[in-house]
Amino acid sequence: GAVVSQHPSWVICKSGTSVKIECRSLDFQATTMFWYRQFPKQSLMLMATSNEGSKATYEQGVEKDKFLINHASLTLSTLTVTSAHPEDSSFYICSARERSLNEQFFGPGTRLTVL
Amino acid sequence: GQQLNQSPQSMFIQEGEDVSMNCTSSSIFNTWLWYKQDPGEGPVLLIALYKAGELTSNGRLTAQFGITRKDSFLNISASIPSDVGIYFCAGATPNTGNQFYFGTGTSLTVIP
Repeated sequence: GAVVSQHPSWVICKSGTSVKIECRSLDFQATTMFWYRQFPKQSLMLMATSNEGSKATYEQGVEKDKFLINHASLTLSTLTVTSAHPEDSSFYICSARERSLNEQFFGPGTRLTVL
Repeated sequence: GQQLNQSPQSMFIQEGEDVSMNCTSSSIFNTWLWYKQDPGEGPVLLIALYKAGELTSNGRLTAQFGITRKDSFLNISASIPSDVGIYFCAGATPNTGNQFYFGTGTSLTVIP
């Protein structure tokens, strides 16, 4: 199946710093990438949808100035958590949709801990 | 966004038993996906369904696309300890740009 990678797999940072998470589709072109947030024992919460070359569409309640998304190419999207605070600590997962298939493939996730 | 109802919320079963879980929606979908998520990892796609009534297998897993197009079922036969994890359904419809909406998840525990 299609492979999606995420980097880093985990990160610990101080409150007030910014953190960038990368999501790459390794063996296919992803016209659309999605960013999710997941709290322990809960389902996936969609944060935003990004299409290559255009601005991301954010879900209601997600601050676009805090969670900056860039989808610069068909294989790379980045999520930057700006001025991170402890309440931003969570598991962030990206997924990518292959152009020709109506399926979504997930990355392995990034565990963010803000001290 | 829309969320699908998945049941049961959790299951505790003995190794070797069969498992059945389902997902329902108030909307009609044209695609159903089933994922498994292990702790600390991203969900892995198990089965994709594209047609009402479709029945698809992947090893010991079998999933069905409900004929009403508002539900889907996942069955696991002869469960083994490595089946432990959280199972998510996801549905999509062209009416929402084929965006996938996810179920609330079913947590499966297999007792050896």
